[in-house]
Amino acid sequence: GESVGLHLPTLSVQEGDNSIINCAYSNSASDYFIWYKQESGKGPQFIIDIRSNMDKRQGQRVTVLLNKTVKHLSLQIAATQPGDSAVYFCAENYSTGGGNKLTFGTGTQLKVEL
Amino acid sequence: ETGVTQTPRHLVMGMTNKKSLKCEQHLGHNAMYWYKQSAKKPLELMFVYSLEERVENNSVPSRFSPECPNSSHLFLHLHTLQPEDSALYLCASSQDLGDRSQPQHFGDGTRLSIL
Repeated sequence: GESVGLHLPTLSVQEGDNSIINCAYSNSASDYFIWYKQESGKGPQFIIDIRSNMDKRQGQRVTVLLNKTVKHLSLQIAATQPGDSAVYFCAENYSTGGGNKLTFGTGTQLKVEL
Repeated sequence: ETGVTQTPRHLVMGMTNKKSLKCEQHLGHNAMYWYKQSAKKPLELMFVYSLEERVENNSVPSRFSPECPNSSHLFLHLHTLQPEDSALYLCASSQDLGDRSQPQHFGDGTRLSIL
């Protein structure tokens, strides 16, 4: 079946550097994508989303890029801070007849080194 | 604060116990969800409710019984659970089930341990 996956399970960056977290998806019918951040002991927190009619969307210190040709999604975090340490999930959303259904990847652990 | 509150945050129970997990959302959403999160595995969707009606049950064992008395509250009743049911149980809500361009908002989960 279709799945959402992440290239790297763990990413270590220096404080102040930019972070790039990648995600590959395989369902060509997916038209909406979301990035979540999950800190230890907490639930997934919505960061940013993007629709398939867009290639790029920017938020506060975060940018999501979507490449539909290769079915690739990335999350860029500018000037990474210790508070950014968490697991980051991408999720794809597609219609199954049941409506708003998300499929999640296993996540990438981002570690910020001081 | 995400607007989705789950209680209790932690629960330890024996296999013969009966307990319930509670979720309350303060976002005015119409759809609510139960997920199971196990270590190193993707989130697993368990149940979906839309306007208090169950619209999806992803082959979840009958020892898990959901209840949605109104659009703001969701329960997960547990009985005779197995050790493999130990996990983080997450509740989420979204504006409407049919709107794919709105994200789901999650609570902080209940960490469940089965002895």
